[in-house]
Amino acid sequence: RKEVEQDPGPFNVPEGATVAFNCTYSNSASQSFFWYRQDCRKEPKLLMSVYSSGNEDGRFTAQLNRASQYISLLIRDSKLSDSATYLCVVNHLTGGFKTIFGAGTRLFVKA
Amino acid sequence: ETGVTQTPRHLVMGMTNKKSLKCEQHLGHNAMYWYKQSAKKPLELMFVYNFKEQTENNSVPSRFSPECPNSSHLFLHLHTLQPEDSALYLCASSYLRGPTDTQYFGPGTRLTVL
Repeated sequence: RKEVEQDPGPFNVPEGATVAFNCTYSNSASQSFFWYRQDCRKEPKLLMSVYSSGNEDGRFTAQLNRASQYISLLIRDSKLSDSATYLCVVNHLTGGFKTIFGAGTRLFVKA
Repeated sequence: ETGVTQTPRHLVMGMTNKKSLKCEQHLGHNAMYWYKQSAKKPLELMFVYNFKEQTENNSVPSRFSPECPNSSHLFLHLHTLQPEDSALYLCASSYLRGPTDTQYFGPGTRLTVL
C-alpha cells in the first residue's frame, strides 16, 4: 500500500460545480497535512494546510479525518482557473522526519 | 514571483556529461530541498539541508551530488546520469525543517538525459 494515495482522476466538471477530492494516508502517526496545487509544467504551490478542526479559505474547504486516515479538499463554485493537479502532502516522524507527496488528482473545469 | 529561483530552466545532457543545477532562495529560509518529479509519479524528496547541513538523503544514487554552501544556495551536481534520470528537478525552501513549515518551490529544471 502506498503511504499516500490519491485518485488520479481526471475529474471533469462544469463551471460552478462543487467537487471533492480525498487523500488517504497509511501512517497513523502522521503529524501535518497540506494541499498543494500544481499547474501544468509549473511548480507546486501551497493551497492550504489541513487541521483537525477543518479550515476554509474562500471556496476551498479542507478537512482531516484521523480515525479513517484521510484528508479531503472541497471546491465550491468551480472556476476555469481551478483546473490543475491537486497534491496531497503528509508529514510524519516515523523513522525520521518524512515528507510524502501524493501523485495528485487532476481537475478540469469546463465552460 | 522570485522567492526561489532555479537555473537552468531546461537542460539536455549526455550520459558522460557533468552539469550542475543551481537554486537560490530570497526568503530568509534555513531549510532547502531537492525533489525529483517524473511523469505520472509523485514528487520524490531527494535531499534536505537544514542550516547548511545535510539532514536527509533518501537513497539517492551517488551520481547526484548536492552542495549547500550557505542557507540561500543549493546545488545539485550531476555526472554519468542515465536516461531514466530525465525528470523535472524542483528545489524548495522553508523557514525550518518542521512539520508545520510551508515549502516554497522554485520553477524547476527540466532535465533530459540522452
